[in-house]
Amino acid sequence: EAGVTQFPSHSVIEKGQTVTLRCDPISGHDNLYWYRRVMGKEIKFLLHFVKESKQDESGMPNNRFLAERTGGTYSTLKVQPAELEDSGVYFCASSHRPSHYEQYFGPGTRLTVT
Amino acid sequence: LAKTTQPISMDSYEGQEVNITCSHNNIATNDYITWYQQFPSQGPRFIIQGYKTKVTNEVASLFIPADRKSSTLSLPRVSLSDTAVYYCLVGDTGRRALTFGSGTRLQVQP
Repeated sequence: EAGVTQFPSHSVIEKGQTVTLRCDPISGHDNLYWYRRVMGKEIKFLLHFVKESKQDESGMPNNRFLAERTGGTYSTLKVQPAELEDSGVYFCASSHRPSHYEQYFGPGTRLTVT
Repeated sequence: LAKTTQPISMDSYEGQEVNITCSHNNIATNDYITWYQQFPSQGPRFIIQGYKTKVTNEVASLFIPADRKSSTLSLPRVSLSDTAVYYCLVGDTGRRALTFGSGTRLQVQP
């Protein structure tokens, strides 16, 4: 069974540019989550999808971040325009069940904004 | 949310048993205790989850005392490949988002 995959593995962009991160969850997992770790700090929750619907966006930092999950399959996280403080590692996770159970994480996308 | 406190780092040698303790004094009745492991350049990986007493799987054991204000992750006979960051998480099973703390960086030496 394929795990959670993320693309790209690393992205370097200039401040003000746009970047789109992609996450492919484990097949059959309706729940998809985005997290990020910035500036060596703790991993923080961003948002949670159930199929194509956003269940919880409470962790999204501001309106420069837009997450979508068309058709309830893969998800994208767009940052527009990117700022220096957006640099960090963005993780995607998926699970069969919601709630505080086992979530399967992808390897992450390392975003560097210069 | 229950706040967790765990050691920043620990050192061990191959073949030893490692016990990482996490303090969560304000754990709520509905909270479960979950441990994740993270290797460099990888996402966190679920290890074990429990509510009370002892839970054991093929990877680790989790000991939770009766008051549930702390928990101990036990890794038997560690190897170099167990070098990683270990996170203790406490949360309501109805809560979707995982809340990570700083974790414990375990370094296993030969």
